[in-house]
Amino acid sequence: KQEVTQIPAALSVPEGENLVLNCSFTDSAIYNLQWFRQDPGKGLTSLLLIQSSQREQTSGRLNASLDKSSGRSTLYIAASQPGDSATYLCAAQMNRDDKIIFGKGTRLHILP
Amino acid sequence: EAGVVQSPRYKIIEKKQPVAFWCNPISGHNTLYWYRQNLGQGPELLIRYENEEAVDDSQLPKDRFSAERLKGVDSTLKIQPAELGDSAVYLCASSLVGVISGYTFGSGTRLTVV
Repeated sequence: KQEVTQIPAALSVPEGENLVLNCSFTDSAIYNLQWFRQDPGKGLTSLLLIQSSQREQTSGRLNASLDKSSGRSTLYIAASQPGDSATYLCAAQMNRDDKIIFGKGTRLHILP
Repeated sequence: EAGVVQSPRYKIIEKKQPVAFWCNPISGHNTLYWYRQNLGQGPELLIRYENEEAVDDSQLPKDRFSAERLKGVDSTLKIQPAELGDSAVYLCASSLVGVISGYTFGSGTRLTVV
């Protein structure tokens, strides 16, 4: 059974710093891995999706990497801004048409 | 293009009362999902539809939860009767089979059972 773990559960950093959020999964036979952002009281916004054959994806100041052999993914945020404050969730999908399994998320707070 | 639309946004009910949530997926998306997110947790799947067929409802508490997807488009999720432990955010998502674009989620319905 796939389990997704995110560390740390919460993180506070000063504005402008670069930061890394970690995600680990127990079954390396994933189809894809997706990073989401969730603002308080809101739904989930997809940030980046990495296919199993890919190593990384980039969008603006965000870069997500995937290492299936070690069961890890990281989300790198460059030059953090207060508007980046949110909960970041990673989710693993095992098969093309299967459900996705979420971690509990990392609550990120960027200090002005 | 409109995203996944859910209603209502918020609902407060007394325990033992019924409640229903509605979801309109992205046009053309044949797969629809209902997830439940408890406070401080990641979302967990309740049911997945491919068109109008429920292909994975193993996590749906069938004694009190029911769902339907009319004509393979809109979907409703119902709880009857609601219990205190059902307080959570109920999220709907949709995707297109075979398209590598991931999921699109709605804004969710926050249910509070008192």
